[in-house]
Amino acid sequence: DIQMTQSPSSLSASVGDRVTITCRASQTISSYLHWYQQKPGKAPKLLIYAASSLQSGVPSRFSGSGSGTDFTLTIGSLQPEDFATYYCQQSYSTPYTFGQGTKLEIK
Amino acid sequence: QVQLVESGGGLVKPGGSLRLSCAASGFTFSDYYMSWIRQAPGKGLEWVSYISSSSSYTDSADSVKRRFTISRDNAKNSLYLQMNSLRAEDTAVYYCARTGRQYGSDYWGQGTLVTVSS
Repeated sequence: DIQMTQSPSSLSASVGDRVTITCRASQTISSYLHWYQQKPGKAPKLLIYAASSLQSGVPSRFSGSGSGTDFTLTIGSLQPEDFATYYCQQSYSTPYTFGQGTKLEIK
Repeated sequence: QVQLVESGGGLVKPGGSLRLSCAASGFTFSDYYMSWIRQAPGKGLEWVSYISSSSSYTDSADSVKRRFTISRDNAKNSLYLQMNSLRAEDTAVYYCARTGRQYGSDYWGQGTLVTVSS
């Protein structure tokens, strides 16, 4: 199975900050990497697919980059509604594993 | 608009069975792969199983293989997960999601809670 490792596991930041979350795959996954946002008690929401494509309706302050084994999710200027948990997921091969999550908290 | 609505969760004893359903609307269900993804209380996301658009291909996580069976009925726009030999570690919120290898899971249901406890 492909292991997905996110860092950091948690992060404190302020409104207006620029934030970067990283995701590393245990083997190459090309660009089969997706990012999700989850708020407490809610289903995850797709933000970025195929490493760098912005899902329809997602604000442009979210961006993704990377290919192979190393990927990043960047939030350009944090808004209050962005405080949530973020997950990466690979769909290169089954099982479609997720990272352990990064909890973004208000500083 | 796309809607996915899960049902069938509840409390079941270890070793018992449960069948989850997911009713889809707002898109051509028979055109898409579908997945089940779960989340144990306070934990991260775990991909459980997926099924191709025509049911010709399925795959599941090792943790549920030989116990859980995914299926679908395209005429009823419905996805199912038959769960047998349930264990305490299967306790989780189960989500159905529209899934594609190229784009991940773009629509999710609200989830249904399965609790395995004596």
